[in-house]
Amino acid sequence: QVTLKESGPVVMKPTETLTLTCTVSGFSLSNPKMRVTWIRQPPGKALEWLSHIFSNDEKSYTTSLRTRLTISKDTSKSQVVLSMTNMNPVDTGTYYCARHYRPYGLDVWGQGTTVTVSS
Amino acid sequence: SSELTQPPSVSVSPGQTARITCSGDALANQYVYWYQQKSGQAPILIIYKDSERPSGIPERLSGSTSGTTATLTISGVQAEDEADYYCQTADSGNTYVFGSGTEVTVL
Repeated sequence: QVTLKESGPVVMKPTETLTLTCTVSGFSLSNPKMRVTWIRQPPGKALEWLSHIFSNDEKSYTTSLRTRLTISKDTSKSQVVLSMTNMNPVDTGTYYCARHYRPYGLDVWGQGTTVTVSS
Repeated sequence: SSELTQPPSVSVSPGQTARITCSGDALANQYVYWYQQKSGQAPILIIYKDSERPSGIPERLSGSTSGTTATLTISGVQAEDEADYYCQTADSGNTYVFGSGTEVTVL
């Protein structure tokens, strides 16, 4: 069974750096057909694609947040880590990781983790 | 980066047909994916490669594309179809983009 689970802080203060971990099971991060994607959703708003990382460590970031995001993976631990610097209240929302299985798209999602940025 | 435009809301009576459009230049030469998100839950994949359904997705959900517009059709709408629906496609620089989302209300 394929599962993904996000973990990270629930509450943060402005200017802090967010570090989220996605722990996967049921598939390998070294599989070239698969990548892990991060998506976020502010309360009551639409999904926003953030970043993904391939098995060969190739990475992509959404243009609007490129300077603030860093994605990495530890294949041996089955974990993908997303960092976002300089958090502010507009970054409040639910952060999801999902498996992108070519050609199916985001076929399995984590349950999401809620992050609130407040002073 | 590209944008995908969806109607904010669609209302439909049980048994009727709901059509949700997704428009954007990127759709002219990229596959579209559709996701369903019920209240308080993570999204699930319901359509991939424009019109393919993953296993377990009811046949009443179908996808199609024409030019720069993709359409998700829900035939014989049921109460359980009430949810938010998002389209997604590949964008420049090996990134992806989601649509603005459509809330489907079953009257």
